[in-house]
Amino acid sequence: EPEVTQTPSHQVTQMGQEVILRCVPISNHLYFYWYRQILGQKVEFLVSFYNNEISEKSEIFDDQFSVERPDGSNFTLKIRSTKLEDSAMYFCASSELAGDSTDTQYFGPGTRLTVL
Amino acid sequence: KQEVTQIPAALSVPEGENLVLNCSFTDSAIYNLQWFRQDPGKGLTSLLLIQSSQREQTSGRLNASLDKSSGRSTLYIAASQPGDSATYLCAGLPSGTYKYIFGTGTRLKVLA
Repeated sequence: EPEVTQTPSHQVTQMGQEVILRCVPISNHLYFYWYRQILGQKVEFLVSFYNNEISEKSEIFDDQFSVERPDGSNFTLKIRSTKLEDSAMYFCASSELAGDSTDTQYFGPGTRLTVL
Repeated sequence: KQEVTQIPAALSVPEGENLVLNCSFTDSAIYNLQWFRQDPGKGLTSLLLIQSSQREQTSGRLNASLDKSSGRSTLYIAASQPGDSATYLCAGLPSGTYKYIFGTGTRLKVLA
């Protein structure tokens, strides 16, 4: 069964460094998403992406964050200058459709980001 | 603003009990709903998906239902086992949006 994959599974970085989290969505999916979960808190939506553009973003997704589909398979989340509060589990998701009654998002296993 | 409440927040039961976990949305207009399992420090494992044309889904000892009129979902776990111990999250996709709204979860502990 097709699945969303994410690399790395765990990333440790120093405050102020740039990090790139990578995701490979399901191959025929057109819509891509990032969510994050700070330890002990809810999973929160960050951004959705379609046709090489951001469709929707939350207030969390500020100028420090960017997303990109650099090639036909990868979808990345970049944090330019990491802060301690960026430490969280980051989940990528993809869907074939969006805003449709049959839309389903499939979630990857997550990347745990630790900022020291 | 759509909010999701999960009740109870935590539950500890002896092995073999049948359980009901509850999830409710402030706005009942939900396209579809997923129940996830999350082990400590780990990712999300999708357990059941209820799409907009469906009312319930079953997988093994798990059954989930969605009452669209009230915006409430229940996850039923039959004959619970210690291996079921985890946090169970519900997430709904409100109509007209791209983003799943997650609940805070129910922490389940099944005692041997």
